[in-house]
Amino acid sequence: DTGVSQDPRHKITKRGQNVTFRCDPISEHNRLYWYRQTLGQGPEFLTYFQNEAQLEKSRLLSDRFSAERPKGSFSTLEIQRTEQGDSAMYLCASSFVRLIQETQYFGPGTRLLVL
Amino acid sequence: DQQVKQNSPSLSVQEGRISILNCDYTNSMFDYFLWYKKYPAEGPTFLISISSIKDKNEDGRFTVFLNKSAKHLSLHIVPSQPGDSAVYFCAALSPGGGADGLTFGKGTHLIIQP
Repeated sequence: DTGVSQDPRHKITKRGQNVTFRCDPISEHNRLYWYRQTLGQGPEFLTYFQNEAQLEKSRLLSDRFSAERPKGSFSTLEIQRTEQGDSAMYLCASSFVRLIQETQYFGPGTRLLVL
Repeated sequence: DQQVKQNSPSLSVQEGRISILNCDYTNSMFDYFLWYKKYPAEGPTFLISISSIKDKNEDGRFTVFLNKSAKHLSLHIVPSQPGDSAVYFCAALSPGGGADGLTFGKGTHLIIQP
């Protein structure tokens, strides 16, 4: 399977703990995105990388959130001092930008529950 | 303020009939539109897209129509099949793509009845 993969698929943590999620994009894709989806909403953009450079962050991404993409391959999203409001599905997507228009392909997501 | 709106939270259609899912947008800078399908506990799956320079794009049972003047697009599924039951998201992209990511609607839950 050469699609986008995410790990773990589910995470339950206690408030105040730190969590880290991993995303492996489609291998030839140069852009990687993180989104968050809560119940009844569509995915909301958090941040994206072009190769290893983080080029944009949404205002949704508070100081407790940090994302990295070392060497332009896989990416990690860390949430420090988790809060109950962080409970959501965290989605990763990747794309290959060759023309102006791009199609993003999503992974299965990591469902986070903060108790 | 929702820039992409899907005003029907759910839609029920009989198997074999046409399903029409609607989407409206407010940002005239959007120039690329996509439809995704999502099953519970899975990530969105890309279905079909359309550039703002076109008014129609077809792929098998799926056709997307774009009316730029009305800032409206629709997804037609013909014929509808039980496996089409899922949540469908409309998404839009600004020129240059990455800066704001995709902007999604809230989704329409399509239920195909046998």
